[in-house]
Parts: sequence; structure tokens; C-alpha cells
Amino acid sequence: DAKTTQPTSMDCAEGRAANLPCNHSTISGNEYVYWYRQIHSQGPQYIIHGLKNNETNEMASLIITEDRKSSTLILPHATLRDTAVYYCIVRVGHNNDMRFGAGTRLTVKP
Amino acid sequence: DVKVTQSSRYLVKRTGEKVFLECVQDMDHENMFWYRQDPGLGLRLIYFSYDVKMKEKGDIPEGYSVSREKKERFSLILESASTNQTSMYLCASSRAGTRNTEAFFGQGTRLTVV
Repeated sequence: DAKTTQPTSMDCAEGRAANLPCNHSTISGNEYVYWYRQIHSQGPQYIIHGLKNNETNEMASLIITEDRKSSTLILPHATLRDTAVYYCIVRVGHNNDMRFGAGTRLTVKP
Repeated sequence: DVKVTQSSRYLVKRTGEKVFLECVQDMDHENMFWYRQDPGLGLRLIYFSYDVKMKEKGDIPEGYSVSREKKERFSLILESASTNQTSMYLCASSRAGTRNTEAFFGQGTRLTVV
């Protein structure tokens, strides 16, 4: 099963881009990379996912390296409300159960 | 708007009580999941279900059981609650048959066993 590695914490200035890295060097060819975030005391919120191409939606962009061993979540203009724990997940298991790691605690500062 | 609804936001139960945590989703999803979340340990999978009456153990099933009698509802049961089951419990659902689909989470139930 592919595991992910993320930095424990990061800071970002309000209005600047937040770039959150994730390493998934053992990812298989058909496994997707998912990003979720969790704001204190709430359930995890889906952000974005991708297989090999870069993806963008209204919340964020996902850049996946060509060898698929790492990815970066980009929040283009971070706000204070983006302060949360961000989880990078590779879906594993024959029923696609999701295993969460420790995530990155992003703090957006004024 | 898609919804995963957990029956209670906060619960306080006594040691030894039988506790039911209920989760309902309105997206006709085949897969449903129960996690618990503890400080420093992150989210850990307790059980998941891929169809009505079907279930599989996750990473920490001891002390828990589940029930899925209808597609939209997935219940987590603590047969005899203990203080070490004090935690945040999160339910999620997703479509089956593909890895190209996100899971949606409920808001969580914070259970305290006293």
C-alpha cells in the first residue's frame, strides 16, 4: 500500500500562495492522490484529487510530478480561513478505504 | 448539496453502556466508513461497509461492531463502552467500483465515556 509523507507544519502569509508538498514514492500506476483538509472540530473536507495530470478546481490546484512520486497542493491566495490540517492520501485497499496520515498543519498568518 | 449526517454532535455515556452512533448519507453511495480521531493519532479506520449487510474490519475494530441494514444508513455500536473509547467519531461515504471518486465526511460525533 502506498504511504504518504508530509511536513508536520507550515506557515503562510495571508494572500500568498500556500504550497503543500506530499511524497508518495511507492504509489501504484492506478492509484489516485487525494487531498482533504480538516478545520478544527469539523469533519474532513474534500479538496481535490488526481491521477497523473495536473488538476484545478475552485479551491486549489494539484501538481503531480511526472514520475508520480510526489505532488503539491496549491492554495493560490491563502486566507485565514484556510488554516487547517491538510491530508494527502493515496486510496488503498480493494474497497478504496482511505488511510489518513498525520497531515500538515497549515497556519495562515495576517 | 451532498450530505453525510451523523445523529449526534456530542454524546456523554457511562462505562458499560451500549452505544449506537448513527450515520445517514443521501448520495446512494455503496461504501460507508467509520473512523475515530484522537490527538496525535490522526484518523483511524474502524470498519467499513461496501454494501448492505456487508462489512470489513479496518485497523482498530476491537470493541466495536457495525450494522448496515439499509444502503443509506451505517451504524457503529459500542457493545460496552469504556473510557478509552472517548474520541471523535467520523462517518464517511463514497461510490464503489472506482478509485476516481471522493469520500464525503459527516461533521463528527464527539463521544465522552465517563
